[in-house]
Amino acid sequence: AQSVSQHNHHVILSEAASLELGCNYSYGGTVNLFWYVQYPGQHLQLLLKYFSGDPLVKGIKGFEAEFIKSKFSFNLRKPSVQWSDTAEYFCAVNAKAAGNKLTFGGGTRVLVKP
Amino acid sequence: DAGVTQSPTHLIKTRGQQVTLRCSPKSGHDTVSWYQQALGQGPQFIFQYYEEEERQRGNFPDRFSGHQFPNYSSELNVNALLLGDSALYLCASSSTPGQRTGELFFGEGSRLTVL
Repeated sequence: AQSVSQHNHHVILSEAASLELGCNYSYGGTVNLFWYVQYPGQHLQLLLKYFSGDPLVKGIKGFEAEFIKSKFSFNLRKPSVQWSDTAEYFCAVNAKAAGNKLTFGGGTRVLVKP
Repeated sequence: DAGVTQSPTHLIKTRGQQVTLRCSPKSGHDTVSWYQQALGQGPQFIFQYYEEEERQRGNFPDRFSGHQFPNYSSELNVNALLLGDSALYLCASSSTPGQRTGELFFGEGSRLTVL
């Protein structure tokens, strides 16, 4: 079945460490790619998005993601995390092949220790 | 500029009962999508409304139904509640161009507990 996969369910790291969260999708054709973040007690918020053009996209709060079409991947990175980055991160794909509805991965819960 | 608002924020029901959840989209948005987020999982697409019609539907039974009003607000109804319906129900809105790109704006959700 077509899907969105996030490799890690839980990540624990210390402040100033680098973060990379993996995301793979299985849809062919045109895709729009997103990372959403859900801070504790808050609603889902858009972190960054890719529609076309430069495959390296920059989002809010120092996050960036790289679209690698050949690998069907859209990994999220941040060079140096802060305690305030503790949150759940969701990769999401809007694919024409899936009827243009937004499909989410299972999420990665990130805990940054101070 | 109000974002997406949902009500109620929390509710408790018993098996077999019916529930109605409400959503007002972000100002300027005309499309509403509903998602179910079970504990520890990503949001699962239920359905999407545009121009007062259900446009797309995910893999949810007919017990899940919805409605969109002329002012673009929406309701999600779930009949014959099961324990497994316990989840956070998210409403998301978008403008028509956003609908094609997939960018959604989310409310804080309605947490439903079925006992």
